[in-house]
Amino acid sequence: QQPVQSPQAVILREGEDAVINCSSSKALYSVHWYRQKHGEAPVFLMILLKGGEQKGHEKISASFNEKKQQSSLYLTASQLSYSGTYFCGTVSGAGSYQLTFGKGTKLSVIP
Amino acid sequence: SQTIHQWPATLVQPVGSPLSLECTVEGTSNPNLYWYRQAAGRGLQLLFYSVGIGQISSEVPQNLSASRPQDRQFILSSKKLLLSDSGFYLCAWSPQGDVRRNEQFFGPGTRLTVL
Repeated sequence: QQPVQSPQAVILREGEDAVINCSSSKALYSVHWYRQKHGEAPVFLMILLKGGEQKGHEKISASFNEKKQQSSLYLTASQLSYSGTYFCGTVSGAGSYQLTFGKGTKLSVIP
Repeated sequence: SQTIHQWPATLVQPVGSPLSLECTVEGTSNPNLYWYRQAAGRGLQLLFYSVGIGQISSEVPQNLSASRPQDRQFILSSKKLLLSDSGFYLCAWSPQGDVRRNEQFFGPGTRLTVL
């Protein structure tokens, strides 16, 4: 089942902060975050695993609430380069090879 | 370093024509391979994944098929395209092993328009 992302879109001025949320109705093992710029391929940002382990870029901050099956991506002191669509992908269950992506959150950073 | 290639970059095809999209990965062995489709303004829909040569799993029943003739080659095909097949097709790879822990690396994509 597809995770739900919120907000669908957000506009920020440079230097402002934003939080993007991802929630699932299924028990999750991990949450993956990707950013896609218009016309380009998605780029990996971070993986948050059950149990607290994280893999990803040092400048990216995110959290994973295992009890609520929710994850949040924190974008602080935004830069123009942060613009793009952010996707969360979730993996549930042992032996799963499927990463199920949300519909995305479009972030626009303006000067 | 690992690289992933897709071709063609863009394709315009008439309804009912066949399709073949190719994806190759360099610099790694035994990768997991994936085909995704992204409709305009939509999320990423997993179409097929493969954990080894000749091993293909389909996530969405449709008129598309996939094959993995070599370890680092993944092909997406159709015998007869539909209008609804239009979209941005992305190939991705991840290291062999637990997908829950491994990031996926996406290719540059093929933009397919079916007229």
